[in-house]
Amino acid sequence: DIQMMQSPSSLSASVGDRVTITCRASQAIGSDLGWYQQKPGKAPKRLMYGASSLQSGVLSRFSGSGSGTEFTLTISSLQPEDFATYYCLYYSSYPLAFGQGTKVEIK
Amino acid sequence: QVQLVQSGAEVKKPGSSVKVSCKSSGGTFSSYAINWVRQAPGQGLEWMGGMIPVFGVAKYDQKFLGRVTITADESTSTAYMDLSSLRTDDTAVYYCARGGYRDVLTAPNSWGQGTLVTVSS
Repeated sequence: DIQMMQSPSSLSASVGDRVTITCRASQAIGSDLGWYQQKPGKAPKRLMYGASSLQSGVLSRFSGSGSGTEFTLTISSLQPEDFATYYCLYYSSYPLAFGQGTKVEIK
Repeated sequence: QVQLVQSGAEVKKPGSSVKVSCKSSGGTFSSYAINWVRQAPGQGLEWMGGMIPVFGVAKYDQKFLGRVTITADESTSTAYMDLSSLRTDDTAVYYCARGGYRDVLTAPNSWGQGTLVTVSS
């Protein structure tokens, strides 16, 4: 089974900062990776799929890159509404696998 | 637009079972994968299992094998997740999430609102 290792587990950043979150897969997964944002008490919201495809309606300050085993989610200029927890997800075969999550907090 | 509506919160005793439902509306049901994901308080997301109703076979994470059963009723466009032998650490919010068409799985893009299951004596 594929495992996803996400880092860091948390980070503190200021509005306007560039933020990068990394996910590593235990074996090559092509581009079959999604990124999600979750706010307290809410269901996760898909931001990216196919590692680098932006979900319709998601602002372009979010971007994804990578293939194979290493992936990144970048927020180019952090906004107040971006403070949340982010998860990567391997999805193209069972079992699906989430990363452990990265909580982005206000510095 | 697909909407997934889950059943309400449950309080259960250790050792009992719980069945959570997820009703789909606004789109085709049978050919799309339904996944079940849970989140314990203050913890991350955990994939439990999934199925594509038209194929009728569910797949499960090894952690839940023998305790979880995922089924679907195509006549009512409703998926179910049954978790047995409940323990206090099964206390979590349980989500259904739709992703994938037939044999092509995709990152789930439609999620239910979540169902809180509390296991307490």
